[in-house]
Amino acid sequence: EVQLVESGGGLVQPGGSLRLSCAASGFTFSDHYMDWVRQAPGKGLEWVGRIRNKANSYITYYAASVTGRFTISRDDSQNSLYLQMNSLKTEDTAVYYCVRIRLGPTELKTFEFWGQGTMVTVSS
Amino acid sequence: DIQMTQSPSTLSASVGDRVTITCRASQNVNNWLAWYQQKPGKAPKLLIYKASSLESGVSSRFSGSGSGTEFTLTISSLQPDDFATYYCQQYDNSQSTFGQGTKLEFK
Repeated sequence: EVQLVESGGGLVQPGGSLRLSCAASGFTFSDHYMDWVRQAPGKGLEWVGRIRNKANSYITYYAASVTGRFTISRDDSQNSLYLQMNSLKTEDTAVYYCVRIRLGPTELKTFEFWGQGTMVTVSS
Repeated sequence: DIQMTQSPSTLSASVGDRVTITCRASQNVNNWLAWYQQKPGKAPKLLIYKASSLESGVSSRFSGSGSGTEFTLTISSLQPDDFATYYCQQYDNSQSTFGQGTKLEFK
C-alpha cells in the first residue's frame, strides 16, 4: 500500500525556519519525481516545488513565491522527502502536502498520490 | 507563469444534475491538464489527466474535454458524494499551476 506521511509542521515565528519531512512506503521511492503542494486555510492549492529523481540529476524547481527561501531535498536510502523552509512569512501558513508524481512521459506526470498533509503556522 | 482560471467559483446543483466546470489557461498547455476533487479536511484526488483520460477507479460519470487553453470537466449525473471542490491543474512545464477551485454545493 502506497503511503506518504508528512511530519514536522508546527508553529513558528515570522523569519524563522522549519523542516518538513515526508516518509514514503509501498513503492520504489527513488524512481519517482516528488512535489510539495500547499493550501492556506480556506484557500486553493498552490504548487510549491519539485525534485526529480537520480536519473534526472535531482533537479529542483520552485514556485516564485518560495524561490530563495525553500529548499527541497530527498534521501532515497531513507525513502524520505524534505522541505527546508527559511525566512518564513505569515503568508506561508498552510497545510503542506507531499505528492508522488506518476512515472512516464510528461503527458502522464500527474500528481497521482498525496499525503494527508502537515500544518505550518507562521505567527508571532 | 501560466495562469489557470476556473469558472464558476461556486456552482449550486441538485442530485441527478449534469454540471460543467470550465478551466482556461493563459497559454497553450498541450493538453497536460488534470482535474482533482477535494473534500473538506482531505487531500485532493486525481480524477482526469491529459485533459480527457479518466484515472483508474474513478467513476465514468466524470469526463474531461478540451485542448490548448480551454478545458471542461463534466459530471453527468450528480451523486451526493460529488459535492466537493474541484481544481484544474496544468502540468505542461516545470512550474505547475492550479486553478482557484470550483465549489460544488447543494442547491
